Amino acid sequence: AQTVTQSQPEMSVQEAETVTLSCTYDTSESDYYLFWYKQPPSRQMILVIRQEAYKQQNATENRFSVNFQKAAKSFSLKISDSQLGDAAMYFCAYRSARAGGATNKLIFGTGTLLAVQP
Amino acid sequence: NAGVTQTPKFRVLKTGQSMTLLCAQDMNHEYMYWYRQDPGMGLRLIHYSVGEGTTAKGEVPDGYNVSRLKKQNFLLGLESAAPSQTSVYFCASSRSGGRNQPQHFGDGTRLSIL
Repeated sequence: AQTVTQSQPEMSVQEAETVTLSCTYDTSESDYYLFWYKQPPSRQMILVIRQEAYKQQNATENRFSVNFQKAAKSFSLKISDSQLGDAAMYFCAYRSARAGGATNKLIFGTGTLLAVQP
Repeated sequence: NAGVTQTPKFRVLKTGQSMTLLCAQDMNHEYMYWYRQDPGMGLRLIHYSVGEGTTAKGEVPDGYNVSRLKKQNFLLGLESAAPSQTSVYFCASSRSGGRNQPQHFGDGTRLSIL
């Protein structure tokens, strides 16, 4: 079974600085997807960025980028130029690339609470 | 755009009571999911549906039932609520189970069982 581990329960960053959130996962599959979701106090789950395992190039979305190390099974999220609105719980998630049914479910880590200091 | 809408947003129940959580999506998505979120445990899949009229068990299905009578709605039922079911419940949907189909989440329902 696949597992996702986020070893940092809480992180803090100064506004305008850069922070990296860690995520490791365990799987025997070779094709899968990885996601970072943001959950602000409003509780809404917002997709931040996603990575396809067969792509070597790291995904980027504006100030958000990932460092995907497939061999090490590591998927960290880097937030550049941090803003107050980035404060939230961040979840790393895994999904199998096999289509259909329960294999399409997201497997979540336990989350990292990010605080942004003004 | 409404996306995924969950009702109610908050509810307090007594042990043994029953209730139904409603999830509605207006994106014509085939797949729908119910997750629960507990402190320190991330989100876990309760039940899911791959299309109208079909449902299947996820990771933690005990104590819950679901129905997908209409494509746009996915109902989660608690027949006899227990304190262990105190949680935040999230509904999600995706276009299909195909490659690179992201799941869209509702805002969650906070359920407390006394």
